[in-house]
Amino acid sequence: DTAVSQTPKYLVTQMGNDKSIKCEQNLGHDTMYWYKQDSKKFLKIMFSYNNKELIINETVPNRFSPKSPDKAHLNLHINSLELGDSAVYFCASGQDRGFGEQYFGPGTRLTVT
Amino acid sequence: DQQVKQNSPSLSVQEGRISILNCDYTNSMFDYFLWYKKYPAEGPTFLISISSIKDKNEDGRFTVFLNKSAKHLSLHIVPSQPGDSAVYFCAASAMNRDDKIIFGKGTRLHILP
Repeated sequence: DTAVSQTPKYLVTQMGNDKSIKCEQNLGHDTMYWYKQDSKKFLKIMFSYNNKELIINETVPNRFSPKSPDKAHLNLHINSLELGDSAVYFCASGQDRGFGEQYFGPGTRLTVT
Repeated sequence: DQQVKQNSPSLSVQEGRISILNCDYTNSMFDYFLWYKKYPAEGPTFLISISSIKDKNEDGRFTVFLNKSAKHLSLHIVPSQPGDSAVYFCAASAMNRDDKIIFGKGTRLHILP
C-alpha cells in the first residue's frame, strides 16, 4: 500500500539507450512531479502534471519526455541517454498545485555508463 | 542561482540536545516554506511547514521559525533523538504565483550518542 511508488529502483544502462521510469500514486492527488537529484545533491524539479496536463516544464533536454496516462501515473521516458543523466530521479505527488506538501517516491538511481 | 540556501552541509548534535538547522532564501515572493527529512535510499518525507503570515509553527519536537525581514528560517528539534539523523531539506514556494517548490541543498544531521 505504498503511497508513491517508482520502478525500477536502480537502472544501469549504456550511453545512447532509451529507458523509462514508471511512477504511480494511490493518494488521489491531482498533481505529480518529477525531480532530479544530481551529484551535487540539489533536488530540482523537472516536470509537473496536474490532472494529466503539463504545467511545469523546466529547462530540461527534450530527450526527456513525461507521459501521464491518467492522474495516478506519471512516467518518464529518456531517449539517447548521456553520462550526465546519471542521477537519482524522484517522483512526487501533491494535492495542491506547487506550493503544498508533496509525497515522494523512493527514487530511481540511474547510472549511465 | 540558489534561491534557497542551506549553508551548513552537516551538523552534529548530542542526543537529547537541541538541533538547529538554518535556511536562507533570496526570493521575496516566497511565502510558504517547508522542511523535508530524507533517509538514505528513500525519498524525502514532509516534516513541517509554515506560511509567511506566521513566524512560528510547532509540531511535537519540531518547531519552524520564520524571520521574513531577514529572509531566514530555522528548524528546531528538541530533544534530538538518534532517529533524527538524516538529511534535512529546506524548501520554499510562492503560493498561487508559481507551481513549484525550490529546494535547498540539504543539511546532514548526525545525532551523537
